[in-house]
Amino acid sequence: GAVVSQHPSWVICKSGTSVKIECRSLDFQATTMFWYRQFPKQSLMLMATSNEGSKATYEQGVEKDKFLINHASLTLSTLTVTSAHPEDSSFYICSVDVRDSKRKAFFGQGTRLTVV
Amino acid sequence: KQEVTQIPAALSVPEGENLVLNCSFTDSAIYNLQWFRQDPGKGLTSLLLIQSSQREQTSGRLNASLDKSSGRSTLYIAASQPGDSATYLCAASSNNAGNMLTFGGGTRLMVKP
Repeated sequence: GAVVSQHPSWVICKSGTSVKIECRSLDFQATTMFWYRQFPKQSLMLMATSNEGSKATYEQGVEKDKFLINHASLTLSTLTVTSAHPEDSSFYICSVDVRDSKRKAFFGQGTRLTVV
Repeated sequence: KQEVTQIPAALSVPEGENLVLNCSFTDSAIYNLQWFRQDPGKGLTSLLLIQSSQREQTSGRLNASLDKSSGRSTLYIAASQPGDSATYLCAASSNNAGNMLTFGGGTRLMVKP
């Protein structure tokens, strides 16, 4: 398995500022991580696939210039919400791609972002 | 494109009842199907994972079944307790490389004492 730590667990920021969310794989070298977001009373939607040492792959409708993903090491992926607006307020959660035979998903604790 | 649907969207039952939560998916070419629990404002707790070659998995009072041909999975909760109150999410894993998940909308369960 994998232990995934996400930080911060919640953050409040002013409109127009940027917020960085960290996703760490504590005991597994993750070449791939996934970022999801969840709007209130909705399910989780995949935002992007984070690839170590290369550019992230974004899902349709997700602005790559607004949601900057950096996966500089095998244990850390970061998601930066740039020029945040109230409509970006959401629950952001990452998962680690454990490529064993089961391919079970391991998730971080999630980050609740509120933009005021 | 995979689509995952969960029925019902919400469920309220008295304590002790046996429950069935339903999940359907449109593309049967899945690698596995996972059930998660999410408490309000919290992350995901993995409950059960069923490989595409399996028919069911059991953990304590939980039993999940998978019928790939019909595109369905069910989560059975026996003898429900107030502590089972949460949102239950099913998610299908793509058959391609990688483990990105397509989630259903969830079933919000309330078990009343």
